[in-house]
Amino acid sequence: AQRVTQPEKLLSVFKGAPVELKCNYSYSGSPELFWYVQYSRQRLQLLLRHISRESIKGFTADLNKGETSFHLKKPFAQEEDSAMYYCALRPGNAGNMLTFGGGTRLMVKP
Amino acid sequence: GEEVAQTPKHLVRGEGQKAKLYCAPIKGHSYVFWYQQVLKNEFKFLISFQNENVFDETGMPKERFSAKCLPNSPCSLEIQATKLEDSAVYFCASSQSRGEGYTFGSGTRLTVV
Repeated sequence: AQRVTQPEKLLSVFKGAPVELKCNYSYSGSPELFWYVQYSRQRLQLLLRHISRESIKGFTADLNKGETSFHLKKPFAQEEDSAMYYCALRPGNAGNMLTFGGGTRLMVKP
Repeated sequence: GEEVAQTPKHLVRGEGQKAKLYCAPIKGHSYVFWYQQVLKNEFKFLISFQNENVFDETGMPKERFSAKCLPNSPCSLEIQATKLEDSAVYFCASSQSRGEGYTFGSGTRLTVV
């Protein structure tokens, strides 16, 4: 069975500081990894997926299979980045469920 | 449409009453998923469909929960004889194919009193 761990429930940084939200996973096969974001009073939105290797809103995430990690990074945090961030894993077959981490609340202070 | 539509947004039921939640996936998406979010953070997978067929129901409580996705109708999640611990936000998501992330609905907040 797969498992996703986000060790920090809350991460508080000042505007302009670098941000790293940690995500570790355990899965014996080849997973697909995602980051979702939930802004206040809004629905869960897809932020990043590892297969596309893109940068969205300045965020990047690299899949490290050796360390089984998929940390989310941004060099300079903005106040509008304040939200709940969820790391999620899907086994490498279409239609299988997502397994979510417990989420990290990012607070960016002015 | 391009949004997953969930209704109602809020639902209040007395213990023992039935609750029925609806989800209209994005047109063309073959997979539908239901998740339960309790305590605001933890997402628990309930069930998934591929078109109208159950794909994975390993997360469904067997006794009181049921779900359907029928052609030309919104998908539904029904809870018979609700209990206090069923209070949660229920999210529906849909997906077109492998490699894409899911698109989530805004959720239905169920409160059992």
